[in-house]
Amino acid sequence: DVVLTQTPPTLLATIGQSVSISCRSSQSLLHSNGNTYLNWLLQRTGQSPQPLIYLVSKLESGVPNRFSGSGSGTDFTLKISGVEAEDLGVYYCMQFTHYPTFGSGTKLEIK
Amino acid sequence: QIQLVQSGPELKKPGESLKISCKASGYTFTDYAMQWVKQAPGKGLQYMGWINTQTGKPTYADDFKERFVFSLETSASTAYLQINNLKNEDTATYFCARKAYWGQGVMVTVSS
Repeated sequence: DVVLTQTPPTLLATIGQSVSISCRSSQSLLHSNGNTYLNWLLQRTGQSPQPLIYLVSKLESGVPNRFSGSGSGTDFTLKISGVEAEDLGVYYCMQFTHYPTFGSGTKLEIK
Repeated sequence: QIQLVQSGPELKKPGESLKISCKASGYTFTDYAMQWVKQAPGKGLQYMGWINTQTGKPTYADDFKERFVFSLETSASTAYLQINNLKNEDTATYFCARKAYWGQGVMVTVSS
C-alpha cells in the first residue's frame, strides 16, 4: 500500500497567518496517463470530510482561493494563505493513483 | 443540488449484522462510483473500497474483504454497506462518498 506521511501532525496558527502542510508519498503518484491523483480534504469537528483540492492543485467548486496545492511525484503541499477561523479542523491528503489511501491527518488549531 | 444522505445511527451486539444506506440525489447515480470510508472514534480515515455503479462490481480493500458487502439499488439511486458478524472494532463512523461529495456519515456502535 502507498503510505502518505503528513507533517506536521498539529499546526497552531493565528488568524491571517499563512501555513503549509506537507504530504509525502512512499511511491510516485504520477499515473501512467500523466495525471497525479492527489487530493486534499478538510474535516471540521463533527462533520464529514469536505474535498478542497483534486489533481494536486485544482480547487473544488466553492473552495476559497486562499487554499492552494502544489507538488509532484512524491512531495506535495497544501498552503493556506491567510488562515481564517473557519479553517480549523483536520486536513487529510488522499491518493488514488494506486489503491486509494489517506494520510494520517494534520490538525489545524487557531491560537 | 447533489446530496448523499445516509441512514441513521446503529447500536448492535457482536455477531449481529447491519445494512447502511446511502441515497444519492441531484445527479445521475451511475455516472460515478460510490466509495466507502471508515473512521474509528478519534482516528483518521480508512478507505474501505468502492462499487462500480454501472456494473455493480465491488472492490474491497484488504482489511474489508471478509465480512463487508457493498451493493446497489440503482432504481432508487442508493448504495448499501452491509457488515456481517459485527465485532467491537467495527465501532466507527462510516461514510459514503463520490467525487467531491460525501455523505454525513453513520455512527455504528457495537457493544454487548
